[in-house]
Amino acid sequence: EIVMTQSPVTLSVSPGERATLSCRASQSVSSNLAWYQQRPGQAPRLLIYGASTRATGIPGRFSGSGSGTEFTLTISSLQSEDFAVYFCHQYNDWFTFGGGTQVDIK
Amino acid sequence: EVQLVESGGGLEQPGGSLRLSCAASGFKLSMYAMSWVRQAPGKGLEGVAVIGASGSNTYYADSVKGRFIISRDNSKNTLYLQMNSLRAEDMGIYYCARPLRGLITHAFDMWGQGTVVTVSS
Repeated sequence: EIVMTQSPVTLSVSPGERATLSCRASQSVSSNLAWYQQRPGQAPRLLIYGASTRATGIPGRFSGSGSGTEFTLTISSLQSEDFAVYFCHQYNDWFTFGGGTQVDIK
Repeated sequence: EVQLVESGGGLEQPGGSLRLSCAASGFKLSMYAMSWVRQAPGKGLEGVAVIGASGSNTYYADSVKGRFIISRDNSKNTLYLQMNSLRAEDMGIYYCARPLRGLITHAFDMWGQGTVVTVSS
């Protein structure tokens, strides 16, 4: 099973600042990597797929990069609605998720 | 409205069974492979099972293999998860999820609201 490791576990950021989240795969997943946002009490919401393609309706402040085993989600200027948990997800071999990064207000 | 709605969760004793349903509306379920994903309380996400668009192909996480069965009735636009021999570690929110482009494995662009499974004596 491909293990996905996200860092940091918690990220404290001020509104308007940039947030950089990392996700590492235990083996190459090519570009078969997605990012989701999950707010309390809600289902996950797809942000990025194919490592760098924004899903429909996702604002341009969200961007993804990377391939192979190292991936990054960047939120360029945090808005109040962006404080949530973010998960990465590889779908190259079966499908596994990272443990999540909680983005908190600083 | 295009949506997925799960039902069937609840409280069950260890060793018991539950059947979850996921009703799709606004699109043809028959065009998509579908998955079940679960989330233990306060934890991350775990892939549980996948079924191909026709229902011919099914895949399971090792943790549920031999106990859970994923199935579908495309005429009813509904996905199912039969959960047998339930264990405490099966507790959590169960989501049905639709992959992009209907592929067996891809990012999930649509999720249901989830149904809660509690396993306790």
